[in-house]
Amino acid sequence: QVQLQESGPGLVKPSETLSLTCTVSGGSISGYYWSWIRQPPGKGLEWIGFIYYSGRTNYNPSLNSRVTISVDTSKNQISLKLTSVNAADTAVYYCARDRVTAAVGAGMDVWGQGTAVTVSS
Amino acid sequence: SYVLTQPPSVSVAPGKTARITCGENYIGSKSVHWYQQKPGQAPVLVIFYDSDRPSGIPERFSGSNSGNTATLTISRVEAGDEADYYCQVWDSSSDHYVFGTGTKVTVL
Repeated sequence: QVQLQESGPGLVKPSETLSLTCTVSGGSISGYYWSWIRQPPGKGLEWIGFIYYSGRTNYNPSLNSRVTISVDTSKNQISLKLTSVNAADTAVYYCARDRVTAAVGAGMDVWGQGTAVTVSS
Repeated sequence: SYVLTQPPSVSVAPGKTARITCGENYIGSKSVHWYQQKPGQAPVLVIFYDSDRPSGIPERFSGSNSGNTATLTISRVEAGDEADYYCQVWDSSSDHYVFGTGTKVTVL
């Protein structure tokens, strides 16, 4: 059974770069699309972007200039970098897998537990 | 980009039916997915492609999509169905996912 585990610093200073990793266990990264999603405290879900195991990416236009998602197939990891963070980037960050191999848009059937990140000096 | 509008809250008595809507122009032409999120937990996919259920999701959960509104229906509501529910659409023209605003379902 595939499991996802997000990890990274829980506190990031304003204007710095938020860096998170999602480690995939019990299965392979290959063949799937992987997304990052975030949820500010008390608010709804926001899709950040996706990456295919081959490296193809696409990002939410509202974050496009600050986001980079990358994949390391040798480590079975997906990474998120968000630059120039501010208080509005405080959220729980999730990684998730698209349901169907080699296709995106079919819904996300496997989610990590999420990791909380606070932006504060 | 566009906004998927959901009612902020829906209240329902145990054993009754809850209906949660997700509105957007021509949403009927897109595939809609639904997620359930309980406090402190990650979202769980409960409906995909408008009306299909993943394995393990009770038949009490069903979905429909037509015109400008998609609907998640929870029949014979139980206390354990109390959660936030989000619709989601894949916008193939821009290769983006979009989430709805979310609905809190309260079981009275």
